[in-house]
Amino acid sequence: NAGVTQTPKFRILKIGQSMTLQCTQDMNHNYMYWYRQDPGMGLKLIYYSVGAGITDKGEVPNGYNVSRSTTEDFPLRLELAAPSQTSVYFCASSYSTDTQYFGPGTRLTVL
Amino acid sequence: DQQVKQNSPSLSVQEGRISILNCDYTNSMFDYFLWYKKYPAEGPTFLISISSIKDKNEDGRFTVFLNKSAKHLSLHIVPSQPGDSAVYFCAAVPMDSSYKLIFGSGTRLLVRP
Repeated sequence: NAGVTQTPKFRILKIGQSMTLQCTQDMNHNYMYWYRQDPGMGLKLIYYSVGAGITDKGEVPNGYNVSRSTTEDFPLRLELAAPSQTSVYFCASSYSTDTQYFGPGTRLTVL
Repeated sequence: DQQVKQNSPSLSVQEGRISILNCDYTNSMFDYFLWYKKYPAEGPTFLISISSIKDKNEDGRFTVFLNKSAKHLSLHIVPSQPGDSAVYFCAAVPMDSSYKLIFGSGTRLLVRP
């Protein structure tokens, strides 16, 4: 099992550009999450999904969108990139409501 | 308003000694706590957890203690090994949102050979 995979690993965007961070899990987990981690800070929840077709906002959803059309995939969309979105983004999944399994992260820089 | 706090950004211990990482929380509605370990350029990995109905959980070299009256938990690593050098995050699960994790800011542990 690959677990949770994320692409790309690194990306540099210009202000105002858009991009999609991809996340796929092969563990048949219902729950999926997107977090961001800023330097010296903990992870903050951006969006989450409790199953295909169901998504909801986390702590810091502004500037992002998500969709969940399949159990496996949970892409995160940035429509108008801003320097404040420079961060490391982690996708995670879980079978139930306890242990979450994380991907390796995407390091995004917005200049 | 940080609900989960790790007030020590870093900790350095000698190999073979005990490492104690601390975490404080403010919300009495948390009912489950987890510790995650993170190496550079990797995602966090689950280490150990504890339910609010317990005060101790042990798994090999790792033990987590929970003091609900003080709203404090700690992770003990005995004996510490150089491979334990990583960032450790404490996370809490609210009773009313059992699939959301609230993370602390992390403590960087360095185990010196």
